[in-house]
Amino acid sequence: DAMVIQNPRYQVTQFGKPVTLSCSQTLNHNVMYWYQQKSSQAPKLLFHYYDKDFNNEADTPDNFQSRRPNTSFCFLDIRSPGLGDAAMYLCATSWGAYNEQFFGPGTRLTVL
Amino acid sequence: GQQLNQSPQSMFIQEGEDVSMNCTSSSIFNTWLWYKQDPGEGPVLLIALYKAGELTSNGRLTAQFGITRKDSFLNISASIPSDVGIYFCAGPMYGNKLVFGAGTILRVKS
Repeated sequence: DAMVIQNPRYQVTQFGKPVTLSCSQTLNHNVMYWYQQKSSQAPKLLFHYYDKDFNNEADTPDNFQSRRPNTSFCFLDIRSPGLGDAAMYLCATSWGAYNEQFFGPGTRLTVL
Repeated sequence: GQQLNQSPQSMFIQEGEDVSMNCTSSSIFNTWLWYKQDPGEGPVLLIALYKAGELTSNGRLTAQFGITRKDSFLNISASIPSDVGIYFCAGPMYGNKLVFGAGTILRVKS
């Protein structure tokens, strides 16, 4: 089945230690998104790639970076995680003009 | 910025009861999406609505796209324990972004 896959599902890191979360998709969608979600709140968009074009949200901290080496993969890099960065990180994909976004299962990040 | 007002914030209902939640906006939307999120998982798309007045069903779920294009509702009939979770409405903003409602937390008492 076509899907969005996130690895790892759970990630523990230390304060200030860089961490990378990964997302892959078999849907062949051209748009990929990264969201941050905290305790029962709505997902908050960090940035998205439309094809190779990177679109950063104005309030996304510089501490968060992303890479999309090809259509199928997208990475979220947190350069120096703080305690406030502990959250669920969700990857989603969509196909251009069609607005349904399909989410992966998420990565739960814990910062010690 | 644009906001979606989702209500109720939470519900605690008896198994077998019907559930209704809704989403309103001050702006017109061309698409309404309803997602369900289980604890520790990502949101799953339940129903997508594309046309004003559209009524769409998915099993025990029924959703409608309001005539004014500023609202949508989701009904769940004969709720069961696995309906527990958070339900989000969402609509597309400019570009490819979604704006989400704050979510409705559904708890079912068996």
